[in-house]
Amino acid sequence: DVKVTQSSRYLVKRTGEKVFLECVQDMDHENMFWYRQDPGLGLRLIYFSYDVKMKEKGDIPEGYSVSREKKERFSLILESASTSQTSMYLCASSLSHTIYFGEGSWLTVV
Amino acid sequence: LAKTTQPISMDSYEGQEVNITCSHNNIATNDYITWYQQFPSQGPRFIIQGYKTKVTNEVASLFIPADRKSSTLSLPRVSLSDTAVYYCLVGDTLAMNYGGSQGNLIFGKGTKLSVKP
Repeated sequence: DVKVTQSSRYLVKRTGEKVFLECVQDMDHENMFWYRQDPGLGLRLIYFSYDVKMKEKGDIPEGYSVSREKKERFSLILESASTSQTSMYLCASSLSHTIYFGEGSWLTVV
Repeated sequence: LAKTTQPISMDSYEGQEVNITCSHNNIATNDYITWYQQFPSQGPRFIIQGYKTKVTNEVASLFIPADRKSSTLSLPRVSLSDTAVYYCLVGDTLAMNYGGSQGNLIFGKGTKLSVKP
């Protein structure tokens, strides 16, 4: 089975803090993604990466950055967290035509 | 870009067959259709994927007509544990390789399925 692991399930951070969300996949997938999911807005793509050190902006990259130093790991960084970034964050990876998701990370910014 | 449309919600009873349809009028030639199941506070779980005609696995069937402008997820004999939100996704992740287009992955808004005893 494909395994996409998000290191933190629930986080509470203060406004202005730097936040790291880590994701690891064990299937040697080329593509990795970060989405956020909000009620009524569905899944929105923040960034994706198609190879080590390669990244592309998604639909809502503002306020976020990413890092992919190793093929299996894709990190989402909130440089200065804001309350508007309170959300569920989903990491995913893909090979061929199918995307597989992690369990999600619930981030609350207070 | 393919835009997808799904019913917002559906109700069913245990033991019934449930069919959820997703419309995607502008589907591109290389796009695949994938369905996911999501429970509260969990990530979407892959159910089934197809390109055309019919695909069946141990949990569901996917029907895709010849024009591919819609697809129907069929869940046979649902149980209470099938209560979840179901999403269709249209797109092709292969197009994203090597820095290709990122805009062709379109998720539907999801269909909330409620199964009653």
